[in-house]
Amino acid sequence: GESVGLHLPTLSVQEGDNSIINCAYSNSASDYFIWYKQESGKGPQFIIDIRSNMDKRQGQRVTVLLNKTVKHLSLQIAATQPGDSAVYFCAESFNQGGKLIFGQGTELSVKP
Amino acid sequence: DAGITQSPRHKVTETGTPVTLRCHQTENHRYMYWYRQDPGHGLRLIHYSYGVKDTDKGEVSDGYSVSRSKTEDFLLTLESATSSQTSVYFCAISELPGTGYGYTFGSGTRLTVV
Repeated sequence: GESVGLHLPTLSVQEGDNSIINCAYSNSASDYFIWYKQESGKGPQFIIDIRSNMDKRQGQRVTVLLNKTVKHLSLQIAATQPGDSAVYFCAESFNQGGKLIFGQGTELSVKP
Repeated sequence: DAGITQSPRHKVTETGTPVTLRCHQTENHRYMYWYRQDPGHGLRLIHYSYGVKDTDKGEVSDGYSVSRSKTEDFLLTLESATSSQTSVYFCAISELPGTGYGYTFGSGTRLTVV
């Protein structure tokens, strides 16, 4: 079936460095992608999204890149802070009632 | 999380017993979803609702049923709980389909089936 997956299950970075979290998707018909952050004991929180007609979108300290040719999505976090430590999920939408298909998640650990 | 409440937050139940989880929203959003989260699987959609009394199955719906008699409440029922249903359950709401920004998750219910 269709799936969204992540290349790296864990990522450890030094405070102040940039972080890159990667995600692969398999359905070329997906037209909407989202990154979520989940802290321990909490539900996922929206970070940034991108539609398939774009290849880059920037937010505050975060950038999402979409490469439709290789079906790859990445989340870049600039100047990573201890508060960024969490599990990050990518998700794709087929625009079918708003259902989101989630990847397995990458745990980001920021060392002070 | 503002506007969405899950209850209970934690529950331990015995195999074979029925269990109902509740999701309550105050945002008047049309769409509501139930996900389960397990290690190695991320979040998987169980059931969703696109209006009062309008529900549909997700990718892991076996063993679960849902009901939505009011806009604000979406109930998830395990008719006869099994150990494989031990998980963390998340409810989510959205107003616009395919819009992640409008997708708000609850804080989750940790269910243990012994």
